[in-house]
Amino acid sequence: DVKVTQSSRYLVKRTGEKVFLECVQDMDHENMFWYRQDPGLGLRLIYFSYDVKMKEKGDIPEGYSVSREKKERFSLILESASTNQTSMYLCAIVDRADYGYTFGSGTRLTVV
Amino acid sequence: AQSVTQLGSHVSVSEGALVLLRCNYSSSVPPYLFWYVQYPNQGLQLLLKYTSAATLVKGINGFEAEFKKSETSFHLTKPSAHMSDAAEYFCAANAGGTSYGKLTFGQGTILTVHP
Repeated sequence: DVKVTQSSRYLVKRTGEKVFLECVQDMDHENMFWYRQDPGLGLRLIYFSYDVKMKEKGDIPEGYSVSREKKERFSLILESASTNQTSMYLCAIVDRADYGYTFGSGTRLTVV
Repeated sequence: AQSVTQLGSHVSVSEGALVLLRCNYSSSVPPYLFWYVQYPNQGLQLLLKYTSAATLVKGINGFEAEFKKSETSFHLTKPSAHMSDAAEYFCAANAGGTSYGKLTFGQGTILTVHP
């Protein structure tokens, strides 16, 4: 089974800091996604990537950027963290055969 | 744009009772549909999926869902709730085609099971 690893489970950062969230997969999947999860809002797509150096904005990209230099790694970057970016961040990959996601365990980010 | 609506942010049932979690989608083309479950302090895991084969889909832990095109619904059911079913449940849809596998999620339903 594919494994999706998010490097940090919990993070606390200060307002204005640049924050990097890392996601690594151990298979050769092209499509990788970053979502944020907030109570009552479900999961909302921030960015996704369909190949190395290829990216597209999701529904809520403002305040975020991404980097995909290698196929197995997809990074989410908060350029200048703000308190409204306090959230659970989930990385996922999709198996093209059935379009079901495999999620990482999530990073709970608190911006103070 | 595709949307997924889960009716009821909280559902409470007694142990042994029927579980019914509602999900409706908006799409001109029948999408792929999924239910995910998230236990406390854990990531999301796939419960079941509909990918245009049988309309009644069986998943893990005794859950099943029925795709009804006429009602644009994909409700999740379980005949008899167990305490271990307490979790948050998310319905999701994928339009397929060139959407790169993007999923649109509902708002989530927290299931509470009382003894």
